[in-house]
Amino acid sequence: DQQVKQNSPSLSVQEGRISILNCDYTNSMFDYFLWYKKYPAEGPTFLISISSIKDKNEDGRFTVFLNKSAKHLSLHIVPSQPGDSAVYFCAARSSNSGYALNFGKGTSLLVTP
Amino acid sequence: NAGVTQTPKFRVLKTGQSMTLLCAQDMNHEYMYWYRQDPGMGLRLIHYSVGEGTTAKGEVPDGYNVSRLKKQNFLLGLESAAPSQTSVYFCASERGAGELFFGEGSRLTVL
Repeated sequence: DQQVKQNSPSLSVQEGRISILNCDYTNSMFDYFLWYKKYPAEGPTFLISISSIKDKNEDGRFTVFLNKSAKHLSLHIVPSQPGDSAVYFCAARSSNSGYALNFGKGTSLLVTP
Repeated sequence: NAGVTQTPKFRVLKTGQSMTLLCAQDMNHEYMYWYRQDPGMGLRLIHYSVGEGTTAKGEVPDGYNVSRLKKQNFLLGLESAAPSQTSVYFCASERGAGELFFGEGSRLTVL
């Protein structure tokens, strides 16, 4: 059963605009959340993370928001650039139940010039 | 600094054949993982290791075995390959707090 869900398989955004990628989770024990970015024929790379004790974390153009009551997080990219075109994976972990990261299925972002 | 290196990058097997995927990391990380990625399925954990000499099952361990004889190496074995194991396999090591460093992937096709 998928505990981390990315319900939008793809998203297209114009260069310079905001990209918003969404992620929902079902396991209330998750206490750490991450976003990974993946280009074709490469492995995923870590982008940004957030602990459940926070509701926002920012790193340059990337901001992750966490809404624990809704079991929802989102990744905002502002401004979007063509080089941001990639597949973005949401991941979550529970510190009480092992080391495995649970990944979503990914959202393919296309940033058009 | 090579990071995480996977070999081979491509392999074609016939059903029933065996093979081993090798993962090597040079970052002195304790934790290492093997994931598989299938279309529309995201990344699913096969096995993982929290240190030299230790391994544990992940979400989809059936049909695979692993070994971590040296800290820097994590091997994934397929004893009798099946078409359902056609996938892209990713090895990763963890710096901490879920920050994984992935290899470039190994694309396996089982005919």
